Amino acid sequence: GESVGLHLPTLSVQEGDNSIINCAYSNSASDYFIWYKQESGKGPQFIIDIRSNMDKRQGQRVTVLLNKTVKHLSLQIAATQPGDSAVYFCAENIPNAGKSTFGDGTTLTVKP
Amino acid sequence: EAGVAQSPRYKIIEKRQSVAFWCNPISGHATLYWYQQILGQGPKLLIQFQNNGVVDDSQLPKDRFSAERLKGVDSTLKIQPAKLEDSAVYLCASSWGRGNSPLHFGNGTRLTVT
Repeated sequence: GESVGLHLPTLSVQEGDNSIINCAYSNSASDYFIWYKQESGKGPQFIIDIRSNMDKRQGQRVTVLLNKTVKHLSLQIAATQPGDSAVYFCAENIPNAGKSTFGDGTTLTVKP
Repeated sequence: EAGVAQSPRYKIIEKRQSVAFWCNPISGHATLYWYQQILGQGPKLLIQFQNNGVVDDSQLPKDRFSAERLKGVDSTLKIQPAKLEDSAVYLCASSWGRGNSPLHFGNGTRLTVT
């Protein structure tokens, strides 16, 4: 069967390596997904989003993958830099609910 | 564009006292949200406004929390009386659409109830 990445509360990577942050969402009806980055003392900041009619979307150094079959979302960061150290949250939106429900965050630490 | 503005940045009060937080969203954003973020957790929605009307307050503890968005722009969130478990960061966010566009967050108000 297909393996699904586990959500880890913390992730430590070496500078220059690629990072993969996983998220399991709860509602199969959700149709819009967003990744946010939260640095200490600041509010969450939008990174990238994806709609349910897509399974992959790429940005600058970041890629989001969506697997609706197993309700799984992942964020890939290429060539991780010290400035990427933060807490990362995924959020899901249910049609017509108009609100974002946040998952448990993953704290990413980048070692120089 | 100017971001979401929140004040104060920090507030320390004793239990049973009252406190108010203020938020000014991004200009033109019709939807405004108040989230509560307890240390180590993801933000949890308290209330959502569309213009000056409440569209979701199902998670707002209405016996002690209240919020308003007069004239569909600025918003205030009030807690009266505060409890120890209200210690958290209160985040305000705004968005262009409702549920189909990313949220823009302010830097929050860190509340400590002693």
